[in-house]
Amino acid sequence: GIQVEQSPPDLILQEGANSTLRCNFSDSVNNLQWFHQNPWGQLINLFYIPSGTKQNGRLSATTVATERYSLLYISSSQTTDSGVYFCAVERSGKSTFGDGTTLTVKP
Amino acid sequence: DTGVSQDPRHKITKRGQNVTFRCDPISEHNRLYWYRQTLGQGPEFLTYFQNEAQLEKSRLLSNRFSAERPKGSFSTLEIQRTEQGDSAMYLCASSYKDSYEQYFGPGTRLTVT
Repeated sequence: GIQVEQSPPDLILQEGANSTLRCNFSDSVNNLQWFHQNPWGQLINLFYIPSGTKQNGRLSATTVATERYSLLYISSSQTTDSGVYFCAVERSGKSTFGDGTTLTVKP
Repeated sequence: DTGVSQDPRHKITKRGQNVTFRCDPISEHNRLYWYRQTLGQGPEFLTYFQNEAQLEKSRLLSNRFSAERPKGSFSTLEIQRTEQGDSAMYLCASSYKDSYEQYFGPGTRLTVT
């Protein structure tokens, strides 16, 4: 099956700093999503981005499908950005998640 | 649109008992997915329905696990003869027919004692 690797596994930032999270995948995929998992376990949709670049406020994402990676950018981080960020790739209806990046933003 | 709902939110059961979870997708979403998530890991795919048809099933889904979506609306996931290793968060998601963008429910946390 498809392998998904996320890096870094853990990231600690001061409030106001910028960060880049990476997602590499081992084979061609049809779709890619980024999620933020809150402390109660709810997965919050951030981006549905099979290719190209999208922006939503302080967050943006870029997927380069031909090179099998996606990047999630967080600018001017806030303490509320803390949590686990997952990318998930989909092919033929089956989705594979990475193990996530745990982000801690300190005040 | 009320989002994906799951019931119960928490379940504690003794080893060997059977448990059943329910998922109600967003209305008009024809695809429904089940995942299992253990601590420190990403969700693992279990199975996927398009309408009432079960199209994909992970090898993780042993013969103790079964899922149904009889009328193409809500779905149930049953675990028979639960084991301690079944303790996990069970997540459900749905997506609309023209998109594979998945929306997740809050999950059911299962503890097997």
